Amino acid sequence: EADIYQTPRYLVIGTGKKITLECSQTMGHDKMYWYQQDPGMELHLIHYSYGVNSTEKGDLSSESTVSRIRTEHFPLTLESARPSHTSQYLCASSSPRTGPKDEQYFGPGTRLTVT
Amino acid sequence: TQLLEQSPQFLSIQEGENLTVYCNSSSVFSSLQWYRQEPGEGPVLLVTVVTGGEVKKLKRLTFQFGDARKDSSLHITAAQPGDTGLYLCAGDGSGNTGKLIFGQGTTLQVKP
Repeated sequence: EADIYQTPRYLVIGTGKKITLECSQTMGHDKMYWYQQDPGMELHLIHYSYGVNSTEKGDLSSESTVSRIRTEHFPLTLESARPSHTSQYLCASSSPRTGPKDEQYFGPGTRLTVT
Repeated sequence: TQLLEQSPQFLSIQEGENLTVYCNSSSVFSSLQWYRQEPGEGPVLLVTVVTGGEVKKLKRLTFQFGDARKDSSLHITAAQPGDTGLYLCAGDGSGNTGKLIFGQGTTLQVKP
């Protein structure tokens, strides 16, 4: 069973606040991802990492930033939250060891609401 | 740009009925994955298909990868309320980067 955790699960915060969404996995996966998803819709990749000290932006432009100092930890930070950032944020990880094609394991997500 | 289109986007059926969800693209993918997502949770991988023409069965779910590796389908036999959720197909992007391109999803509601 996959072990990937996200905190907080729900966050309601005012405009202009700085926030960090946490994501940790205990499977030793080298690749990690952040997705943004509106309810019932597709996932959009906003950041990914191939390993420690390796981060790149995804296909969907995002004002958030990420860091990967440790293999198991991939936090996402918004310096100044805005209502347009309201969404569900999903973290995932994968490794060539998980299957023939890097199948991704997802955390439960953080539902962010910016008022 | 590689795109995946799923159809239908929403499906509401009675328990016991059969259904098929389609995932189509004009691009070739080296593999396609199917995920199921329940409200408030992250997607969970159901299956990966990697060979053109491949058919995989998972209990009442049958997955098929098109011969040209541009499309896939998910067929559910005798749907149950527990099958309710958002079904997402995802294609392996360029190279073995691990990055996935997701379809927009099919919301399935199975009524008892």
